[in-house]
Amino acid sequence: QSALTQPPSASGSAGQSVTISCTGTSSDVGAYDYVSWYQLHPGKAPKLIIYEVTKRPSGVPDRFSGSKSGNTASLTVSGLQADDEADYYCTSYSGTSTLGFGGGTKLTVL
Amino acid sequence: EVQLVQSGAEVRKPGESLKISCQGSGYNFGNYWIAWVRQMPGRGLELMGIIYPGDSDTRYSPSFRGQVTISADNSITTAYLQWSSLKASDSAMYYCARTVSILRGVPVRLDPWGQGTLVTVFS
Repeated sequence: QSALTQPPSASGSAGQSVTISCTGTSSDVGAYDYVSWYQLHPGKAPKLIIYEVTKRPSGVPDRFSGSKSGNTASLTVSGLQADDEADYYCTSYSGTSTLGFGGGTKLTVL
Repeated sequence: EVQLVQSGAEVRKPGESLKISCQGSGYNFGNYWIAWVRQMPGRGLELMGIIYPGDSDTRYSPSFRGQVTISADNSITTAYLQWSSLKASDSAMYYCARTVSILRGVPVRLDPWGQGTLVTVFS
């Protein structure tokens, strides 16, 4: 059982926006600004797309944005493109030495 | 460019041993913790453990302690994940990733990742 809860699936049409949630507790997501999001394409190396809730690594398009409210973090993908179809995972620091992952969300671009 | 390159796919029988590798380049390998992450078929990601190549300090997630061995050779900028006796349930994709930590041994994010090593165990 994952420490963080994500919806198993999300979808949106090309050009639209979609938001994926990551719900934790007041001990992890709610307590620290160390939420990260990762994109997994089959056959490719996983990629960090958001860190510290809202920051984007160099090279990640600004169509990807992150936010947090209370114990829930969110990843928003705007202007959906076919290549955005992938699995997305969140992580959050929880004050312990173990980094927990969300269960993952499969994003489908219709 | 910071990069992690993993060894190729492996097929083994139950009971056999295996060691897979992850070679880093483009940064001071010894100064960053390396994490190993498992993804079983159709399942999510699980952090198995981390190692600091500079001094081989290793931390295991509770579920994986005693099941695998994580090691590193800083002189050749390579980290390893090994099994002494594989089980069918070890069949999975295994990723290594460089960690960013806020405290020693406490990762807060993983970047970059290796391309993954698929391990298949069947009789």
